[in-house]
Amino acid sequence: EPEVTQTPSHQVTQMGQEVILRCVPISNHLYFYWYRQILGQKVEFLVSFYNNEISEKSEIFDDQFSVERPDGSNFTLKIRSTKLEDSAMYFCASSKQGTGELFFGEGSRLTVL
Amino acid sequence: GIQVEQSPPDLILQEGANSTLRCNFSDSVNNLQWFHQNPWGQLINLFYIPSGTKQNGRLSATTVATERYSLLYISSSQTTDSGVYFCAVRSGDDKIIFGKGTRLHILP
Repeated sequence: EPEVTQTPSHQVTQMGQEVILRCVPISNHLYFYWYRQILGQKVEFLVSFYNNEISEKSEIFDDQFSVERPDGSNFTLKIRSTKLEDSAMYFCASSKQGTGELFFGEGSRLTVL
Repeated sequence: GIQVEQSPPDLILQEGANSTLRCNFSDSVNNLQWFHQNPWGQLINLFYIPSGTKQNGRLSATTVATERYSLLYISSSQTTDSGVYFCAVRSGDDKIIFGKGTRLHILP
């Protein structure tokens, strides 16, 4: 069964460093998303991406964050100059249609020291 | 934006019991999903159910879109059902909003 894959599964970084989280969405899906979940809290929307551009973003997704689809398969989230409060699980998701079922990857746990 | 409220926030049950989890939302939706977050943090798709009723084994879900709620039923609970259950909805824009979840703990 096709699935969304994410790497790395866990990354530890120093405050101020840049981090890139990678995702390979399901191959025939057209809509891509990043969500984050701070430990013990709910899953929060960050950004949606369609047709090589951002279609929606939340207030969390400020200039510190960027997304890119550098080739036909990868979808990346870059966090510049990480802060302690960026520590969270980051989930990538994809869907075939804009209103379709969302499928999540297993998450990338980011720990900022 | 759309508000999603889940109840109860926490639920402790004995193995074998049945449970009903509720999700209320504040606006009309064109997508509703139920997820189970297991102890390893993975989000497992349970149901894609913008309306109607679906069943999968011991789990079933019903969404009454006109009344803006959805219910997740778990019958004959097992310890492996423990975890957090999230409801997530999409309204008119291109993002899915999650509720705060129901934390379910099944005792052996």
